[in-house]
Amino acid sequence: DIQMTQSPSSLSASVGDRVTITCQTSEDISNSLAWFQQKPGRAPKPLIHAASNLQTGVPSKFSGSGSGTHFSLIISSLQPEDFATYYCQQYQTYPITFGQGTRLEIK
Amino acid sequence: EVQLVESGGGLVQPGGSLRLSCAVSGFSFNDHYMDWVRQAPGKGLEWVGCSRNKANKQTTEYAASVKGRFTISRDDSRNSLYLQMNSLRPEDTAVYFCTRMTATWLNDYWGQGTLVTVSS
Repeated sequence: DIQMTQSPSSLSASVGDRVTITCQTSEDISNSLAWFQQKPGRAPKPLIHAASNLQTGVPSKFSGSGSGTHFSLIISSLQPEDFATYYCQQYQTYPITFGQGTRLEIK
Repeated sequence: EVQLVESGGGLVQPGGSLRLSCAVSGFSFNDHYMDWVRQAPGKGLEWVGCSRNKANKQTTEYAASVKGRFTISRDDSRNSLYLQMNSLRPEDTAVYFCTRMTATWLNDYWGQGTLVTVSS
Protein backbone atom coordinates (compact mmCIF):
# COMPACT_ATOMS: atom_id res chain seq x y z
CA ASP A 1 0.00 0.00 0.00
CA ILE A 2 1.12 3.57 -0.62
CA GLN A 3 1.80 5.34 2.66
CA MET A 4 0.90 8.99 3.05
CA THR A 5 2.81 11.29 5.38
CA GLN A 6 1.02 14.58 5.85
CA SER A 7 2.47 17.42 7.87
CA PRO A 8 1.99 19.19 10.10
CA SER A 9 -0.71 17.28 11.96
CA SER A 10 -1.95 20.57 13.38
CA LEU A 11 -1.30 24.17 12.57
CA SER A 12 -2.23 27.37 14.33
CA ALA A 13 -2.53 30.49 12.17
CA SER A 14 -4.15 33.90 12.08
CA VAL A 15 -6.68 35.42 9.72
CA GLY A 16 -4.78 36.78 6.73
CA ASP A 17 -1.90 34.33 7.02
CA ARG A 18 -0.59 32.09 4.26
CA VAL A 19 -0.07 28.43 5.19
CA THR A 20 1.45 25.39 3.54
CA ILE A 21 0.52 21.76 4.18
CA THR A 22 2.70 19.03 2.75
CA CYS A 23 2.05 15.44 1.78
CA GLN A 24 4.71 12.85 1.01
CA THR A 25 3.96 9.47 -0.53
CA SER A 26 5.95 6.26 -0.15
CA GLU A 27 5.96 5.67 -3.90
CA ASP A 28 5.90 7.78 -7.04
CA ILE A 29 2.25 8.57 -7.78
CA SER A 30 2.90 11.02 -10.64
CA ASN A 31 0.20 13.66 -10.06
CA SER A 32 -2.56 11.36 -8.78
CA LEU A 33 -3.24 13.38 -5.67
CA ALA A 34 -6.27 15.22 -4.33
CA TRP A 35 -6.81 17.57 -1.42
CA PHE A 36 -9.99 17.74 0.67
CA GLN A 37 -11.30 20.12 3.30
CA GLN A 38 -13.51 18.83 6.10
CA LYS A 39 -15.40 20.76 8.73
CA PRO A 40 -16.81 19.13 11.89
CA GLY A 41 -19.88 17.04 11.24
CA ARG A 42 -19.64 17.52 7.49
CA ALA A 43 -18.55 15.40 4.55
CA PRO A 44 -15.17 16.16 2.97
CA LYS A 45 -15.16 18.75 0.22
CA PRO A 46 -12.79 18.33 -2.72
CA LEU A 47 -10.44 21.25 -3.31
CA ILE A 48 -7.81 20.07 -5.76
CA HIS A 49 -7.26 17.06 -8.01
CA ALA A 50 -4.37 15.96 -10.19
CA ALA A 51 -2.12 17.70 -7.65
CA SER A 52 -2.72 21.21 -8.91
CA ASN A 53 -6.15 21.43 -10.59
CA LEU A 54 -8.62 23.54 -8.66
CA GLN A 55 -12.04 21.95 -8.32
CA THR A 56 -14.89 23.98 -9.83
CA GLY A 57 -16.14 26.60 -7.42
CA VAL A 58 -13.12 26.50 -5.12
CA PRO A 59 -11.55 29.93 -4.62
CA SER A 60 -8.14 30.60 -6.11
CA LYS A 61 -6.68 31.22 -2.65
CA PHE A 62 -6.21 27.45 -2.63
CA SER A 63 -3.39 26.08 -4.75
CA GLY A 64 -1.62 22.76 -5.06
CA SER A 65 1.72 21.72 -6.39
CA GLY A 66 4.05 18.77 -6.64
CA SER A 67 4.51 15.50 -8.43
CA GLY A 68 6.12 12.16 -7.78
CA THR A 69 6.29 11.85 -4.01
CA HIS A 70 6.16 15.41 -2.67
CA PHE A 71 3.07 17.61 -2.73
CA SER A 72 1.89 20.84 -1.16
CA LEU A 73 -1.37 22.63 -0.50
CA ILE A 74 -1.08 26.38 -0.04
CA ILE A 75 -3.87 28.50 1.38
CA SER A 76 -3.36 32.22 1.08
CA SER A 77 -5.03 35.01 3.04
CA LEU A 78 -6.76 32.77 5.56
CA GLN A 79 -10.36 33.61 6.39
CA PRO A 80 -12.44 32.28 9.30
CA GLU A 81 -14.20 29.77 7.02
CA ASP A 82 -10.86 28.17 6.10
CA PHE A 83 -10.23 26.81 9.57
CA ALA A 84 -10.90 23.12 9.13
CA THR A 85 -9.11 19.80 8.69
CA TYR A 86 -7.35 19.10 5.40
CA TYR A 87 -6.55 15.69 3.91
CA CYS A 88 -4.45 14.55 0.98
CA GLN A 89 -5.44 11.43 -0.94
CA GLN A 90 -3.63 9.32 -3.52
CA TYR A 91 -5.62 7.56 -6.20
CA GLN A 92 -2.76 6.20 -8.30
CA THR A 93 -3.18 2.67 -6.99
CA TYR A 94 -5.68 0.66 -4.99
CA PRO A 95 -6.07 0.76 -2.10
CA ILE A 96 -6.72 4.48 -2.20
CA THR A 97 -5.07 6.04 0.83
CA PHE A 98 -5.45 9.30 2.75
CA GLY A 99 -3.02 11.35 4.76
CA GLN A 100 -3.74 11.51 8.48
CA GLY A 101 -5.05 15.06 8.23
CA THR A 102 -3.94 18.56 9.18
CA ARG A 103 -6.09 20.45 11.65
CA LEU A 104 -5.88 24.17 10.90
CA GLU A 105 -6.83 26.24 13.94
CA ILE A 106 -7.21 29.92 14.62
CA LYS A 107 -4.36 31.41 16.62
CA GLU B 1 -28.76 18.50 -8.49
CA VAL B 2 -26.48 15.63 -7.53
CA GLN B 3 -27.51 13.96 -4.27
CA LEU B 4 -26.21 10.96 -2.37
CA VAL B 5 -28.15 9.81 0.68
CA GLU B 6 -26.86 7.04 2.93
CA SER B 7 -29.06 5.00 5.22
CA GLY B 8 -28.98 1.84 7.28
CA GLY B 9 -26.57 2.77 10.03
CA GLY B 10 -27.17 1.97 13.67
CA LEU B 11 -26.01 0.03 16.69
CA VAL B 12 -24.95 -3.58 16.16
CA GLN B 13 -23.23 -6.12 18.38
CA PRO B 14 -19.75 -7.42 17.59
CA GLY B 15 -19.99 -10.26 15.11
CA GLY B 16 -23.23 -8.90 13.71
CA SER B 17 -24.18 -7.69 10.26
CA LEU B 18 -25.53 -4.50 8.77
CA ARG B 19 -26.37 -3.35 5.25
CA LEU B 20 -25.88 0.26 4.27
CA SER B 21 -27.56 1.84 1.28
CA CYS B 22 -26.73 4.91 -0.74
CA ALA B 23 -29.46 6.32 -2.93
CA VAL B 24 -28.25 8.67 -5.62
CA SER B 25 -29.94 11.12 -7.96
CA GLY B 26 -29.04 13.88 -10.38
CA PHE B 27 -26.51 11.99 -12.50
CA SER B 28 -26.07 8.84 -14.55
CA PHE B 29 -25.28 6.39 -11.78
CA ASN B 30 -24.33 3.56 -14.10
CA ASP B 31 -21.54 5.64 -15.67
CA HIS B 32 -19.66 6.21 -12.42
CA TYR B 33 -17.37 4.35 -10.09
CA MET B 34 -18.60 4.68 -6.52
CA ASP B 35 -16.60 4.48 -3.30
CA TRP B 36 -17.32 3.92 0.37
CA VAL B 37 -15.13 5.91 2.77
CA ARG B 38 -15.38 5.77 6.56
CA GLN B 39 -14.30 7.91 9.47
CA ALA B 40 -14.00 6.61 13.01
CA PRO B 41 -14.99 9.09 15.73
CA GLY B 42 -12.33 11.79 15.99
CA LYS B 43 -10.13 10.07 13.41
CA GLY B 44 -9.16 10.53 9.78
CA LEU B 45 -10.62 9.26 6.54
CA GLU B 46 -10.25 5.61 5.52
CA TRP B 47 -11.14 4.30 2.07
CA VAL B 48 -13.26 1.15 2.39
CA GLY B 49 -13.77 0.05 -1.19
CA CYS B 50 -15.15 0.80 -4.60
CA SER B 51 -17.61 -0.43 -7.17
CA ARG B 52 -16.62 0.08 -10.78
CA ASN B 53 -19.22 1.10 -13.34
CA LYS B 54 -21.19 -1.05 -15.72
CA ALA B 55 -18.63 -0.62 -18.49
CA ASN B 56 -16.08 -2.19 -16.15
CA LYS B 57 -18.40 -4.98 -15.13
CA GLN B 58 -19.19 -3.51 -11.71
CA THR B 59 -16.11 -5.16 -10.25
CA THR B 60 -14.99 -4.22 -6.77
CA GLU B 61 -11.89 -3.40 -4.72
CA TYR B 62 -11.55 -3.44 -0.94
CA ALA B 63 -9.27 -2.21 1.80
CA ALA B 64 -7.38 -4.99 3.53
CA SER B 65 -9.12 -4.15 6.81
CA VAL B 66 -12.54 -5.14 5.43
CA LYS B 67 -11.76 -7.63 2.69
CA GLY B 68 -13.64 -10.88 3.18
CA ARG B 69 -16.11 -9.26 5.60
CA PHE B 70 -17.62 -6.41 3.58
CA THR B 71 -19.25 -6.63 0.15
CA ILE B 72 -20.06 -3.70 -2.12
CA SER B 73 -22.84 -4.06 -4.65
CA ARG B 74 -24.94 -1.78 -6.77
CA ASP B 75 -28.30 -1.79 -8.49
CA ASP B 76 -28.16 0.55 -11.44
CA SER B 77 -31.92 0.19 -12.00
CA ARG B 78 -32.51 1.61 -8.52
CA ASN B 79 -29.64 4.12 -8.62
CA SER B 80 -28.36 2.59 -5.41
CA LEU B 81 -25.07 1.48 -3.91
CA TYR B 82 -24.85 -0.96 -1.04
CA LEU B 83 -22.35 -2.02 1.60
CA GLN B 84 -23.00 -5.37 3.25
CA MET B 85 -20.98 -5.56 6.44
CA ASN B 86 -20.56 -8.92 8.18
CA SER B 87 -18.53 -10.05 11.17
CA LEU B 88 -18.48 -6.51 12.47
CA ARG B 89 -15.85 -5.46 14.97
CA PRO B 90 -15.70 -2.53 17.39
CA GLU B 91 -13.03 -0.96 15.18
CA ASP B 92 -15.58 -0.76 12.35
CA THR B 93 -17.41 1.93 14.33
CA ALA B 94 -17.43 4.97 12.06
CA VAL B 95 -19.44 7.30 9.92
CA TYR B 96 -19.71 5.71 6.49
CA PHE B 97 -19.82 7.96 3.45
CA CYS B 98 -20.65 7.02 -0.11
CA THR B 99 -18.97 9.12 -2.73
CA ARG B 100 -19.02 9.46 -6.49
CA MET B 101 -15.81 9.17 -8.45
CA THR B 102 -15.32 11.16 -11.64
CA ALA B 103 -13.54 10.03 -14.78
CA THR B 104 -10.48 11.92 -13.47
CA TRP B 105 -10.55 9.86 -10.26
CA LEU B 106 -11.83 12.60 -8.00
CA ASN B 107 -14.39 11.89 -5.26
CA ASP B 108 -16.42 14.95 -6.13
CA TYR B 109 -19.77 14.35 -4.43
CA TRP B 110 -20.30 12.85 -1.00
CA GLY B 111 -23.32 11.84 1.03
CA GLN B 112 -23.90 13.14 4.53
CA GLY B 113 -22.78 9.85 6.07
CA THR B 114 -24.43 7.25 8.27
CA LEU B 115 -23.10 6.23 11.68
CA VAL B 116 -22.38 2.60 12.44
CA THR B 117 -21.66 1.71 16.05
CA VAL B 118 -20.38 -1.76 16.88
CA SER B 119 -20.70 -2.37 20.59
CA SER B 120 -22.12 -4.85 23.07
